[in-house]
Amino acid sequence: SYVLTQPPSVSVAPGETARLTCGGDNIGRKPVHWYQQKPGQAPVLVINYDNDRPSGIPERFSGSNSGNTATLTISRVEAGDEADYYCQVWDTSSDHVVFGGGTTLTVL
Amino acid sequence: QLQLVESGGGVVQPGRSLRLSCAVSGFTFRTYGMHWVRQAPGKGLEWMAFILYDGSNEYYANSVKGRFAISRNNSKNTLYLQMNSLRAEDTAVYYCARDGLFGLGGKWFDPWGQGTLVTVSS
Repeated sequence: SYVLTQPPSVSVAPGETARLTCGGDNIGRKPVHWYQQKPGQAPVLVINYDNDRPSGIPERFSGSNSGNTATLTISRVEAGDEADYYCQVWDTSSDHVVFGGGTTLTVL
Repeated sequence: QLQLVESGGGVVQPGRSLRLSCAVSGFTFRTYGMHWVRQAPGKGLEWMAFILYDGSNEYYANSVKGRFAISRNNSKNTLYLQMNSLRAEDTAVYYCARDGLFGLGGKWFDPWGQGTLVTVSS
């Protein structure tokens, strides 16, 4: 089955840029979607189709996807960006949704 | 305003059954596929099941295939998850989520409900 690998944690100072990675075999060939989940809340879509931002998501959030790595980039990080972030794809070979294990973003 | 409201969670003994519901409003329910996703305490997200907009096809995670059944009633704008033979490892918050793309779906999630907690314990 298809596996997505995310680092468990990333720390960044306010105002800096956070880059959260999501690794998978030839993930660049699949659309990748990203979700933000704050404690006690439901997940929220922040990026879909690699780099599309839903309405209401700040321009500071962007994505890229190539080769074996997809990346969610958060520019000018704010304290309110502290959350868990999950990448997700649809694996056509198994007809299954696959989530990465999630990355906890800590703003120092 | 898009709204998804789950209900039916609670404490249930191992081996018993439970049915979750997800009432939706604010969009044309019958044109979107729907998903169930769960999250065990302190753990990550785990996709459970997807049903097409018209109920004509269903997909399941291996961990629940044969035990759980997703269904929908488009006249009631309601999604269901029938959970049978429950195990302790099924303890989680269960979220319903709309597929992000109408019709056959894009297999992503937007928006999500607030979730309902299912605890499997004797």
